[in-house]
Amino acid sequence: GQSLEQPSEVTAVEGAIVQINCTYQTSGFYGLSWYQQHDGGAPTFLSYNALDGLEETGRFSSFLSRSDSYGYLLLQELQMKDSASYFCAVNGAGSYQLTFGKGTKLSVIP
Amino acid sequence: DTAVSQTPKYLVTQMGNDKSIKCEQNLGHDTMYWYKQDSKKFLKIMFSYNNKELIINETVPNRFSPKSPDKAHLNLHINSLELGDSAVYFCASSPSIAGGVQFFGPGTRLTVL
Repeated sequence: GQSLEQPSEVTAVEGAIVQINCTYQTSGFYGLSWYQQHDGGAPTFLSYNALDGLEETGRFSSFLSRSDSYGYLLLQELQMKDSASYFCAVNGAGSYQLTFGKGTKLSVIP
Repeated sequence: DTAVSQTPKYLVTQMGNDKSIKCEQNLGHDTMYWYKQDSKKFLKIMFSYNNKELIINETVPNRFSPKSPDKAHLNLHINSLELGDSAVYFCASSPSIAGGVQFFGPGTRLTVL
C-alpha cells in the first residue's frame, strides 16, 4: 500500500517563504505530485517530480529525494491568494493511481 | 475552453434516490478518474478508466457504477443514496495512465437528506 505524511496546518507571513514537507511509503515509485486546492474549489496541479532534485516553476518549487522517500513544496514571496490546502500525492509503480496525503492547510497572514 | 467539466455542480436529494453525475474532458486524455472528497478534505480514488476500460475499482459500494461511453466521458451513477454518500465528487483526467499529472473538474457537491 501507499501512505503519505504531511503537516496538517502551516501559517506564514505575506512575503515570506514556506516549506511544506511530505514523507511517503510506497511499494514501487513513479513520482510525487503537488496539488493546490482553495476552499470550495477543485485540486489544481502544481508540480510533478519523478527524479531527485529541485523543480522550479515561478514562485513555487518542488523537491524530491527518492532515497529518503521525502519531498517538499517551497512557496516563495507568499501572497494572500496562496492561502489554500496543499496536497502531496504519490503514484507507485504499476498502481495507475494517485494516493493523496491528507493535505496541509496554509494560512498566509498580513 | 479546454477543460474537465462536470454536471451538476450541486445535487441535493433524498435518501434512497438514484442520481447521476456527468463528466466530460476535451483535453484528449485517455485516462479519467472519479474521486470522493469527504468533509475532512480527504481525496480518495474511486474508479479509473483508460480508453473506456476500467483499470481501478477501489473498495466502493456496488451502488456506485461508473460508465464510460467514450474516452472523453466518464459518468457516475449512484443507486439507493445514503446519508454517508454526502461529499464532493471530483472527476479528473490524465494524459498518462501512470496518472501523476491530473486535471480536475470543478466538483459536484452531493447532499443526501
